[in-house]
Amino acid sequence: EVQLVESGGVLVQPGGSLRLSCEASGFTFSSYAMSWVRQAPGRGLEWVSAISGGGGSTYYADSVKGRFTISRDNSKNTLYLQMNSLRAEDTAVYSCAKDLQLAPSGCDYWGQGTLVTVSS
Amino acid sequence: SYELTQPPSVSVSPGQTARITCSADALPKQYAYWYQQKPGQAPVLVIYKDTERPSGIPERFSGSSSGTTVTLTISGVQAEDEADYYCQSADSSGTYPVVFGGGTKLTVL
Repeated sequence: EVQLVESGGVLVQPGGSLRLSCEASGFTFSSYAMSWVRQAPGRGLEWVSAISGGGGSTYYADSVKGRFTISRDNSKNTLYLQMNSLRAEDTAVYSCAKDLQLAPSGCDYWGQGTLVTVSS
Repeated sequence: SYELTQPPSVSVSPGQTARITCSADALPKQYAYWYQQKPGQAPVLVIYKDTERPSGIPERFSGSSSGTTVTLTISGVQAEDEADYYCQSADSSGTYPVVFGGGTKLTVL
């Protein structure tokens, strides 16, 4: 059974930093791209970042480029999102999602998410 | 940036057919994916690669593509289908491999 469990979401002040983690199980982690997707309260899905199965290719939404860094440790079956220079508009539930293939495409499994609140 | 355009809302009566559209320039060249999200739950993939249905998804869910528009069709809508539906695709250059539409709220009257 595929499981994705996010952690690391907390209340952080504007300008602060945070690292989210996503522990994966139930599939060959290195064979699939992974994405981070966020959803602000009452809003739609917003893709944040994606990484290829081997970790050699990374992609970012314009809204986070230069501030967020996606990475993965295939030996630990774990996906990360380093978030710097956080803004109020980054407040959202952040979910990791498993892709259908090695490169980013569509996502067939999603975690339940971790809440990041950026506020003073 | 790159955008996918969906109608904000669609309403149908039980047993009728719901059609939710998604439009963007690169859709003739890029696959589309559809997700269903109910309140408080994670999204569920209901259609992938324009027309394919994952195992476990009811046959009443189908997808189609024509030019710059893809369509999610739900035949014989049931009350349990009331949810938000999101399309997802990519831009033609590969800069944005994952882009979501704004979402469509399906209301079953």
